[in-house]
Amino acid sequence: AQKITQTQPGMFVQEKEAVTLDCTYDTSDPSYGLFWYKQPSSGEMIFLIYQGSYDQQNATEGRYSLNFQKARKSANLVISASQLGDSAMYFCAMRELYNQGGKLIFGQGTELSVKP
Amino acid sequence: EPEVTQTPSHQVTQMGQEVILRCVPISNHLYFYWYRQILGQKVEFLVSFYNNEISEKSEIFDDQFSVERPDGSNFTLKIRSTKLEDSAMYFCASSPTTEKLFFGSGTQLSVL
Repeated sequence: AQKITQTQPGMFVQEKEAVTLDCTYDTSDPSYGLFWYKQPSSGEMIFLIYQGSYDQQNATEGRYSLNFQKARKSANLVISASQLGDSAMYFCAMRELYNQGGKLIFGQGTELSVKP
Repeated sequence: EPEVTQTPSHQVTQMGQEVILRCVPISNHLYFYWYRQILGQKVEFLVSFYNNEISEKSEIFDDQFSVERPDGSNFTLKIRSTKLEDSAMYFCASSPTTEKLFFGSGTQLSVL
């Protein structure tokens, strides 16, 4: 069975500094996708970044990058140059790809607070 | 940019009443989902829908729940007889491929 673990309930970072949010996963499927979502206090789920298990390079989207270490089964999110607007809950999620359109399974989330 | 639209944004109902939560997925997407998030907890999968039928459902999705795609655009979640523990944020999501899954802004359901 697939499982996602986020071990940091809360994180603090100084504005303009980089921060890494941890995510580990477990799956028996060799083909899977890893996602990060941002949930601000308003409640919506905002897609940030995607990494496929067969992708050779780490995914990047603007200030977001995914540090994918397949052997360690980790998919950490790195946010560079933090901004006050980055304060939110961040969820890591995984999707097994044997089943096209398969469900996402989410981690428990990490609440990030950016200090001015 | 196209987005998933959910209505209403807030729904208050009495225990035992039926509620229908509505969603308009992004138009060229093929896969549709409902998730829920109880306050302060993680996002939980309820059901996925493809080709006009349920493709997968979780243990939470019992006989009290049903989904429909009554026309080419709407996707609904019905809870037949609401319980206090059904109070949560309900998210609709749609996906064109395996690489992206887009969420609506959610419906906050409060059961009194």
